[in-house]
Amino acid sequence: AQTVTQSQPEMSVQEAETVTLSCTYDTSESDYYLFWYKQPPSRQMILVIRQEAYKQQNATENRFSVNFQKAAKSFSLKISDSQLGDAAMYFCAYRSGGGSQGNLIFGKGTKLSVKP
Amino acid sequence: NAGVTQTPKFRILKIGQSMTLQCTQDMNHNYMYWYRQDPGMGLKLIYYSVGAGITDKGEVPNGYNVSRSTTEDFPLRLELAAPSQTSVYFCASSYSPESQPQHFGDGTRLSIL
Repeated sequence: AQTVTQSQPEMSVQEAETVTLSCTYDTSESDYYLFWYKQPPSRQMILVIRQEAYKQQNATENRFSVNFQKAAKSFSLKISDSQLGDAAMYFCAYRSGGGSQGNLIFGKGTKLSVKP
Repeated sequence: NAGVTQTPKFRILKIGQSMTLQCTQDMNHNYMYWYRQDPGMGLKLIYYSVGAGITDKGEVPNGYNVSRSTTEDFPLRLELAAPSQTSVYFCASSYSPESQPQHFGDGTRLSIL
């Protein structure tokens, strides 16, 4: 079974600085997708970024980028120029490819605080 | 552009009561999911559906039932509420099971007292 581990329960960053959130996963599959979701206090689940395992290039979305190390099964999220609105819980999630039912497997989350 | 709509947003139940959490989506997605999020934890899959009339169990299905009579609706039923079912429940949908991201509803906070 696949597992997702986020080893940092809480992180803090100064506004305008850069922070990296860690995520590791365990799988024997070769076809899969990885996601970072943001959950602000409003409880919404907001997709931040996604990475296809078959792509070597790291995904980027504006201030958000990932460091995808497939051999190490690592998928960290870098937030550049942190803003107060980035404060939230961040969840790393795994999704099987190749005809699976497509459900997400989540880590326990990292609570990010942004200091003004 | 409603997306995934869940009702109610909050509910308090007494032990042994029953209720249905409603979920509807207007994106014509075949795949729908119910997750629960316990405090300090990530989401765990309760049930999922790959299309109308087809449902299957996820990781934590005990105490719940689902149905999928239409593409749009995927209600979650709690038959005999127990304190262990106190949680936040999320419904999600996607067009395909793989590359497309899941769209989430805003969640239902359920307390069993």
